[in-house]
Formats: sequence, C-alpha cells, structure tokens
Amino acid sequence: QVQLVESGGGVVQPGRSLRLSCAASGFTFSRYAMHWVRQVPGKGLEWVAATSYDGNKKYYADSVQGRFTISRDNSRNTLYLYISTLRAEDSALYYCASDVYSSGWFDNWGQGSLVTVSS
Amino acid sequence: EIVLTQSPATLSLSPGEGATLSCGASQSVKNNYLAWYQQKPGLAPRLLMYDASRRATGIPDRFTGSGSGTDFTLTISGLEPEDFAVYYCQQYGTSPALTFGGGTKVEIK
Repeated sequence: QVQLVESGGGVVQPGRSLRLSCAASGFTFSRYAMHWVRQVPGKGLEWVAATSYDGNKKYYADSVQGRFTISRDNSRNTLYLYISTLRAEDSALYYCASDVYSSGWFDNWGQGSLVTVSS
Repeated sequence: EIVLTQSPATLSLSPGEGATLSCGASQSVKNNYLAWYQQKPGLAPRLLMYDASRRATGIPDRFTGSGSGTDFTLTISGLEPEDFAVYYCQQYGTSPALTFGGGTKVEIK
C-alpha cells in the first residue's frame, strides 16, 4: 500500500538549516506531483511547497519563498524540503503528501516530521 | 489569495445525528476545485472529497459534498463514532497556490 515516511525533524536553533526527507513506497513515485504541508500542533494546515512529477517545476507559499527549497530524487523515491535560516514560526509538523493528478489535492499523506526551532 | 472560512468552528452532536459543515470562499473557486479532509488526533489528514462533490476512494456514502462558486458544504448523514474529528476544506482553483480553511471540529455532545 502507499506509504510516505518523513524524517529529519528535530530541535534546531534559530538561524540554522534543516533538510526533511520523505521516503515513498507502494506507488510509482516518479509519476506523482508531491507537496509539503505544515501544521502547528493544535492549529490548522498550511500548504508550503510543491514539485512536479519530474522535479522541473517548483512552487512555494509566499510565507516561505526564498528560504525553503523543495526537491526530489526519483531514483530514490524520495522527496526533500530544505529549510534555511530557521525561524521560530517555522516550528510545525511537516507532512509530505502525494498529488496523483497534479491537480492540487492530496490523496495520501505521511505521518509528519516535527520541527521545533528553539535556542 | 483565496481565503476559506469554515463554520461553525465547533459542532457538538450525538452519534446518529446529521452534520452540516460550511466552507465559504473570499472569491469564486475556479471549476469548484475544492477538497475536504478529515483529521483525527495524532493522525495525518485523510482525503474525503475532491472537485467539491467527488468522494475519494473508500469514503462511505454518508459523506456528501456540495456547493459551487463561493459556498461549499460537507454533509455527514448519521454520524458514526469514528466521524468525530476535525474537518478542513482546501481550494486548488488557484493551483499551485493552495489554501486551507481553519477547520471545523465535530465533537460528541
């Protein structure tokens, strides 16, 4: 069955960088657009970034443009999110999600990776 | 950016009752490109509906999505114990820029 497993989160100091990973299995990863969505615990959902199936197109929310970089390695069935210059407001649970028709809705989600920005 | 406003914030109901959740958009959602998700505590969201009224795979028919333009509704007919959760709407009419509503919590009365 479809599995998305995020990793790479943790407690990080403000100003540092972090790379999240999302390992995909159970579907043809290279055919799917992929997204990152974040959620502050107890709060709502915020779309963060998206990449086309081949990685050639990348899109970002205005709130993270310039500091976040989404990428993928289709040979490894893995999605990445690189976050630079971390801020306290980046603290959240980061989900990766698949988008089977590249339409913008999310058919499968991982369990999330928690990022806490704190000194 | 399209802002989605969900109401009510909390809905207190008993099992077996019907639930009506609303999602209002600040401007018309192109092609009614609206999805609904269910999220239970400690779990990731789960897709319920897309294109406003299409059920995702495996979603029971007690869940119905409707609406168009700026007003959308998720109806749950006959709440089951497993339906008590938080529900989010999401628009993708302005894809790749995507936005979510603030959520409606359906709790047991």
